[in-house]
Amino acid sequence: NAGVTQTPKFRVLKTGQSMTLLCAQDMNHEYMYWYRQDPGMGLRLIHYSVGEGTTAKGEVPDGYNVSRLKKQNFLLGLESAAPSQTSVYFCASSYRPAGPTLSSGNTIYFGEGSWLTVV
Amino acid sequence: KNQVEQSPQSLIILEGKNCTLQCNYTVSPFSNLRWYKQDTGRGPVSLTIMTFSENTKSNGRYTATLDADTKQSSLHITASQLSDSASYICVVSSSTGGYNKLIFGAGTRLAVHP
Repeated sequence: NAGVTQTPKFRVLKTGQSMTLLCAQDMNHEYMYWYRQDPGMGLRLIHYSVGEGTTAKGEVPDGYNVSRLKKQNFLLGLESAAPSQTSVYFCASSYRPAGPTLSSGNTIYFGEGSWLTVV
Repeated sequence: KNQVEQSPQSLIILEGKNCTLQCNYTVSPFSNLRWYKQDTGRGPVSLTIMTFSENTKSNGRYTATLDADTKQSSLHITASQLSDSASYICVVSSSTGGYNKLIFGAGTRLAVHP
């Protein structure tokens, strides 16, 4: 029962390098999300997906791209890493959108995080 | 501007004591309010979810309250344990344009000492 799995857990990049963070969920969830968490700030949504083959921008999408080719996977790419992208990245998923209806499917499940440092 | 503010920023208590964490929000329209626990180096884990009509919700030793009129919520931890040491994050959901946006507070870092 893995839940939401992120890889890699730690990565150091040089400015200008590219990389991809992989998120996998085994709960058959429709909705997947990528957040970043910075010191003293709440989590901020980068991109999200409402189903296989779909992606949408969140509140801080610049410098990132995503793909959802398979329902269980959501990839976050950095094409040209910048020091401002040093952060902890969290992937999350939910069966339904994190909205007003109360049900177990409304719960958002987070991965363990990926620590990225850009030097 | 939609905001979620939590207080205190950090808190130290002795094992066995109770504590209350505060969350004030200016989010409209309001859908629901969640509390998450985030252990150091881990992802957030859901504790409670409350809608507009719910005043209180419990999960073991954790009890969340919601006053939708004053836009305040609290998380009360009873008989604290060392394992309660973590960050507690208040999250408010706002339904706009067909997507339910989550606004995260910065969290309260709780340290429980023996």
